[in-house]
Amino acid sequence: QKEVEQNSGPLSVPEGAIASLNCTYSDRVSQSFFWYRQYSGKSPELIMSIYSNGDKEDGRFTAQLNKASQYVSLLIRDSQPSDSATYLCAFVFAAGNNRKLIWGLGTSLAVNP
Amino acid sequence: ETGVTQTPRHLVMGMTNKKSLKCEQHLGHNAMYWYKQSAKKPLELMFVYSLEERVENNSVPSRFSPECPNSSHLFLHLHTLQPEDSALYLCASSQIAGGGANVLTFGAGSRLTVL
Repeated sequence: QKEVEQNSGPLSVPEGAIASLNCTYSDRVSQSFFWYRQYSGKSPELIMSIYSNGDKEDGRFTAQLNKASQYVSLLIRDSQPSDSATYLCAFVFAAGNNRKLIWGLGTSLAVNP
Repeated sequence: ETGVTQTPRHLVMGMTNKKSLKCEQHLGHNAMYWYKQSAKKPLELMFVYSLEERVENNSVPSRFSPECPNSSHLFLHLHTLQPEDSALYLCASSQIAGGGANVLTFGAGSRLTVL
């Protein structure tokens, strides 16, 4: 069974701090990893995708991928109260021509003013 | 209208009712999805349509019946549901080619309560 593990939280950080969200995955051959953000009562929205080992930065967000350790993380610098949401990690599981996203349960982040 | 639109946003139905959820995407995508989101569970993929053809059905009970009349519209027909079917039903769309296949745009969801 392919799966994604995330700490459900809540992760609480003060405004202006760095929030670090972590995710491990079970499929060694996966090449594609995603972070989605879901505000309470809203639908998920894609905030970062990463395909290669190392860091990928987009504004205040940095995704880090380590395929050897089967680990992907999301760092949010200068955290704002508006970053308070659940962050879902997902990876692509490919079997032949069939590709599907495998989702984690999500980590709840609370940024305190 | 932009993005992915779902109606109704909230639905309460009895176990003997028949209702439908509707999804419309205005992004020019050619794949559409139904997901179920329940508390304490990961997103569950229910159905995938690619170019209006169903390509995946993840062992969903027959009381859920999808319909995709064209690449912009997707329906989920509901009948004889159970209380455990109460959940948020999310529609999503994507491009099927290359990496775009995994970049989903979600609708706001339909919150279903089965009494």
